Amino acid sequence: NAGVMQNPRHLVRRRGQEARLRCSPMKGHSHVYWYRQLPEEGLKFMVYLQKENIIDESGMPKERFSAEFPKEGPSILRIQQVVRGDSAAYFCASSLEGVVNEQFFGPGTRLTVL
Amino acid sequence: AQSVTQLDSQVPVFEEAPVELRCNYSSSVSVYLFWYVQYPNQGLQLLLKYLSGSTLVESINGFEAEFNKSQTSFHLRKPSVHISDTAEYFCAVSETSGSRLTFGEGTQLTVNP
Repeated sequence: NAGVMQNPRHLVRRRGQEARLRCSPMKGHSHVYWYRQLPEEGLKFMVYLQKENIIDESGMPKERFSAEFPKEGPSILRIQQVVRGDSAAYFCASSLEGVVNEQFFGPGTRLTVL
Repeated sequence: AQSVTQLDSQVPVFEEAPVELRCNYSSSVSVYLFWYVQYPNQGLQLLLKYLSGSTLVESINGFEAEFNKSQTSFHLRKPSVHISDTAEYFCAVSETSGSRLTFGEGTQLTVNP
């Protein structure tokens, strides 16, 4: 049973470009969470989604960031017009239901903005 | 809202020595507590968790943590560490009715020969 998959593992963008990060949850999981890890810091919650619904986006920056989890396909975290401060590791986690004690993490996408 | 404080950012120890990684939390409601381990360039792996019941929880690789409600702590311990335990360790908390995890800043454990 494959775990949580994220791609790409590494992404390099120039300032002003768009970054699209993908997360495929574990088989059977319908709840997805995105966290961001800035250099030398712990992980910070960004957004919690179920299929076709955003449940909690209180950790998302107000501008340039969006997330979706369509009925079919992976969850996408989209960052428009990236800036150097967006450089970080972005982790996705999934759970069978919205149960916090059963979140499984992916390997992360490391975004570097030049 | 909750917060987590990991008091040590770096903990260097020698192989086979005991280690304690400290974690304190703040919350106005009941919580679940977690320790995650992150090896270089990898994602987080759940090491152990406290949900309810016995305040002492153990992992399969010799780590243990004790939930102390009065001191709002959840320190991680291992009586004898190995080189392979070198990694970053994150303490996390969540509301029992919530879905998000709140993480500490992490503690880099380095085990030297």
